[in-house]
Amino acid sequence: AQSVTQLDSQVPVFEEAPVELRCNYSSSVSVYLFWYVQYPNQGLQLLLKYLSGSTLVKGINGFEAEFNKSQTSFHLRKPSVHISDTAEYFCAVTTGRSGGYQKVTFGTGTKLQVIP
Amino acid sequence: KAGVTQTPRYLIKTRGQQVTLSCSPISGHRSVSWYQQTPGQGLQFLFEYFSETQRNKGNFPGRFSGRQFSNSRSEMNVSTLELGDSALYLCASSSIAGVQETQYFGPGTRLLVL
Repeated sequence: AQSVTQLDSQVPVFEEAPVELRCNYSSSVSVYLFWYVQYPNQGLQLLLKYLSGSTLVKGINGFEAEFNKSQTSFHLRKPSVHISDTAEYFCAVTTGRSGGYQKVTFGTGTKLQVIP
Repeated sequence: KAGVTQTPRYLIKTRGQQVTLSCSPISGHRSVSWYQQTPGQGLQFLFEYFSETQRNKGNFPGRFSGRQFSNSRSEMNVSTLELGDSALYLCASSSIAGVQETQYFGPGTRLLVL
């Protein structure tokens, strides 16, 4: 069975400061990892995903994440946040690349609050 | 290209009633998935449709059902509503099934059961 843990439920950060949102997963087999963002009253939007290849994944809006197999982590980073980054961020994991999204497990979310 | 649209955006029902939610995927997308999002349980997969066939179903009771039409539009139905069905219901579409294809989410339908 797979699981994903987002260690911080809320992260406050000043505008233009760097941020890291932490995500750890548990799985006995190879995994595929995702980060989504959800703005208030909206659906989810894919920020980035790791399926294979380079462990440093670059996404939209200046975000990036690094897949660390030894530490079973997939932390999301941004070097300088903007007010518009205020949202909830979800980490997700699946072990079934050929399967559908029914096998994806979502984390509980981290609310990023950017302080002006 | 228009995004995923969901109707209605907000809904209030009472226990025991039934409800139908609609999702129109991005043009050309054939895969539609539904999710339930609640503060307590988080995001949970409901079911996935591809070319009018249900491919996968999550761990939800039979009161939750869905279908997909030939134009890829999808509906989900919840019968005999319970208070615990209050949630944000999200629909997502992708061109084909499989996690290698990016899913695009709609804004959701917020259902309140009284």
